Amino acid sequence: QVQLVQSGAEVKKPGASVKVSCKASGYTFTGYYIHWVRQAPGQGLEWMGWINANSGGTNCAQKFQGRVTMTRDTAISTAYMDLSSLRSDDTAVYYCARDHGWGYWGQGTLVTVSS
Amino acid sequence: QAVVTQEPSLTVSPGGTVTLTCGSSTGAVTSGHYPYWFQQKPGQAPRTLIYDTSNKHSWTPARFSGSLLGGKAALTLSGAQPEDEAEYYCFLCYDSTWVFGGGTKLTVL
Repeated sequence: QVQLVQSGAEVKKPGASVKVSCKASGYTFTGYYIHWVRQAPGQGLEWMGWINANSGGTNCAQKFQGRVTMTRDTAISTAYMDLSSLRSDDTAVYYCARDHGWGYWGQGTLVTVSS
Repeated sequence: QAVVTQEPSLTVSPGGTVTLTCGSSTGAVTSGHYPYWFQQKPGQAPRTLIYDTSNKHSWTPARFSGSLLGGKAALTLSGAQPEDEAEYYCFLCYDSTWVFGGGTKLTVL
């Protein structure tokens, strides 16, 4: 069965970077895009960007340009989202999700940014 | 960046019908925006109900349906159940970038 399993919770200081992983299984990893979405506490969903797991090409929301890097390792069917220059308002649950129907989501990774 | 608008909150009676809508600041929502609808309950990850305007996943209850209505994307719930109380998010594509609506809190009461 299709699964997306994300890395565990992180606590970071302002100005630091965080890298969240999303390990896919149960399907051909390179056949789909992986999207990243975040949700701050008590807030709505916010789309961050996508990575083409085949080509490695990416696209992200204007808000995150210059601060987010999305990569993948096809050998281990894993996508990564790296967010730099963290601020307190980056505290959120970060999700990965598979394209084409968005039927599969990771369980979410809580990133807390606090001094 | 485009702004996607949804009703902040709606209430429906058990067994009743309600339509949630999704508008775009750029004009009419079309099938080219590939409208999605997600349901999210407290403490849970979102769950996709509708994709590409009106397509359902195997887990989507038959009482949910998606459409285009009056220049907006619409999610209609016919025969509301208590377990349908949740936050619902619309999601639209704009030339390879995507934007969520602010969400509609649906109360079944």
